[in-house]
Amino acid sequence: TQLLEQSPQFLSIQEGENLTVYCNSSSVFSSLQWYRQEPGEGPVLLVTVVTGGEVKKLKRLTFQFGDARKDSSLHITAAQPGDTGLYLCADSGTYKYIFGTGTRLKVLA
Amino acid sequence: NAGVTQTPKFQVLKTGQSMTLQCAQDMNHEYMSWYRQDPGMGLRLIHYSVGAGITDQGEVPNGYNVSRSTTEDFPLRLLSAAPSQTSVYFCASSHAGDSNTGELFFGEGSRLTVL
Repeated sequence: TQLLEQSPQFLSIQEGENLTVYCNSSSVFSSLQWYRQEPGEGPVLLVTVVTGGEVKKLKRLTFQFGDARKDSSLHITAAQPGDTGLYLCADSGTYKYIFGTGTRLKVLA
Repeated sequence: NAGVTQTPKFQVLKTGQSMTLQCAQDMNHEYMSWYRQDPGMGLRLIHYSVGAGITDQGEVPNGYNVSRSTTEDFPLRLLSAAPSQTSVYFCASSHAGDSNTGELFFGEGSRLTVL
């Protein structure tokens, strides 16, 4: 069974700081997705990456997929309170989506 | 834009009671799924369906039943509730077979407490 480990588990930072969160898989990803979940809501897709070494940018968020397709990172530049939430990575290549345990980010104003 | 609608949002049950969590989507998605979310454990797949009349088990199916009689609806039944089923439940849908994105659209969740 594939296991997705995310680190750190919790992160509390000041507005304006940069941060990186990580997702590591016990096996090669079929395809990787990152979701953000705000309190009381369901997760919302941020990005999908498929190719090893791929880098995608979404405004202040930069997503990197490892060359071996077993790890990924999410870097946020100049974090804002609106970035607060639970960040989840997922393997989305089959019908049996597998999610990581998440990184809970709090950005303080 | 309704998207994925889950009802009820909150429910309290006694051990041994049964209930059904409803999920409906209006995006004509073939794929629908149920997850439970527990602290520190992320989202775990309970059951999923790739079309009307087709269902399959996920990672944690025991104690839950599903059926898919229409494209729009995918109810989750708890047969005999146990305290271990206290959780937040999410329904999600997607276009099946879209291997390039497979974006999941989630409902707002149903918080279930079993006493």
